[in-house]
Amino acid sequence: TQLLEQSPQFLSIQEGENLTVYCNSSSVFSSLQWYRQEPGEGPVLLVTVVTGGEVKKLKRLTFQFGDARKDSSLHITAAQPGDTGLYLCAGGDYGQNFVFGPGTRLSVLP
Amino acid sequence: DSGVTQTPKHLITATGQRVTLRCSPRSGDLSVYWYQQSLDQGLQFLIQYYNGEERAKGNILERFSAQQFPDLHSELNLSSLELGDSALYFCASSPTINPGLGTFGSGTRLTVV
Repeated sequence: TQLLEQSPQFLSIQEGENLTVYCNSSSVFSSLQWYRQEPGEGPVLLVTVVTGGEVKKLKRLTFQFGDARKDSSLHITAAQPGDTGLYLCAGGDYGQNFVFGPGTRLSVLP
Repeated sequence: DSGVTQTPKHLITATGQRVTLRCSPRSGDLSVYWYQQSLDQGLQFLIQYYNGEERAKGNILERFSAQQFPDLHSELNLSSLELGDSALYFCASSPTINPGLGTFGSGTRLTVV
């Protein structure tokens, strides 16, 4: 069974600070996705990474896929209150399995 | 608005009852996925349909069933409800069989009392 772990579980920072959250597994994934979920809403896809070592940038967010395709990180530069939310990673193998991590709950204080 | 419509938004029902949750996918999407999100279990994949056919099954209980109709909308049926079934139920849709491309609806919050 594939499992995804995320760390930290909770993170509370001040506006303007930088942060990194991690998504790890012992399994190889064909791709990894990052989502942000706000209260009362469904997860919204931020990015998909497919190639080992791939780095993608989305404004102040930088996503990296590990060389072995077993882990990923999300780095936010100069965090803003609007970045507050639950950040979920998810991954699929080459079959039918698709799993979500437990998430990192980020709170950015003004 | 993600384009994926889920109804109802909230549902309160008693233990032992049966409920039906409905999902209309984005226009053009052939795949529908159902997920359950609870505080202790996180987001769990339940089942996927593609163009009317069941394609993948996750952690779906035998008391739960789903189907996708010719117009591609989908329904998730939950029966013999227990307190532990209280959760957010999300539907997602995508144009292909790849769940990583799914767009989520806003969910149905089910409370079993």
